[in-house]
Amino acid sequence: EAGVAQSPRYKIIEKRQSVAFWCNPISGHATLYWYQQILGQGPKLLIQFQNNGVVDDSQLPKDRFSAERLKGVDSTLKIQPAKLEDSAVYLCASSLDPRAYNEQFFGPGTRLTVL
Amino acid sequence: AQSVTQLDSHVSVSEGTPVLLRCNYSSSYSPSLFWYVQHPNKGLQLLLKYTSAATLVKGINGFEAEFKKSETSFHLTKPSAHMSDAAEYFCVVSPDSGGYQKVTFGTGTKLQVIP
Repeated sequence: EAGVAQSPRYKIIEKRQSVAFWCNPISGHATLYWYQQILGQGPKLLIQFQNNGVVDDSQLPKDRFSAERLKGVDSTLKIQPAKLEDSAVYLCASSLDPRAYNEQFFGPGTRLTVL
Repeated sequence: AQSVTQLDSHVSVSEGTPVLLRCNYSSSYSPSLFWYVQHPNKGLQLLLKYTSAATLVKGINGFEAEFKKSETSFHLTKPSAHMSDAAEYFCVVSPDSGGYQKVTFGTGTKLQVIP
């Protein structure tokens, strides 16, 4: 079974530039998550999709971050414009459905450096 | 509301000695609890999970954890550390509110194994 795919793995940009990350979840997984993991901290949920609908984006900085999952499969996360404090690893995860006891499967992450 | 406290940011053990990584949680609903491991430059991987069945949970690679409701704890243990166990470990709480999964990660414990 193929895992969660993410690209790119690394990205370096200057502040005020824009950047986009892509995620392809495990086939058949209805729930998709984007996390931000700042160095030395645990992952923080940015947005959660159930199929192609957003169920939680309470911690997404909506003035600069956006995400979509148009066909209920793969997803993109965009930052525009980037700030220095956006330097982090962006993790995508998926689960079969959103019930509390379900395991999340994580991709390898995209390491973003904002200069 | 929910929260997770990992009591140690760093733990250092000698190879072959026991491992104890401590986690305390709070949750307004009956929780599911998880331990994930993150090796350098790799994605998060599930070690084990508690979902209101047996309170002693066995996971991969010889790890186990015990759910203690009275102490609101879910400590991770392993009888004998191996060099390959060196990684960062995250405790995660997921309250079963009947709605969508809303996980909270702890800040992580970095395990160092000394040969």
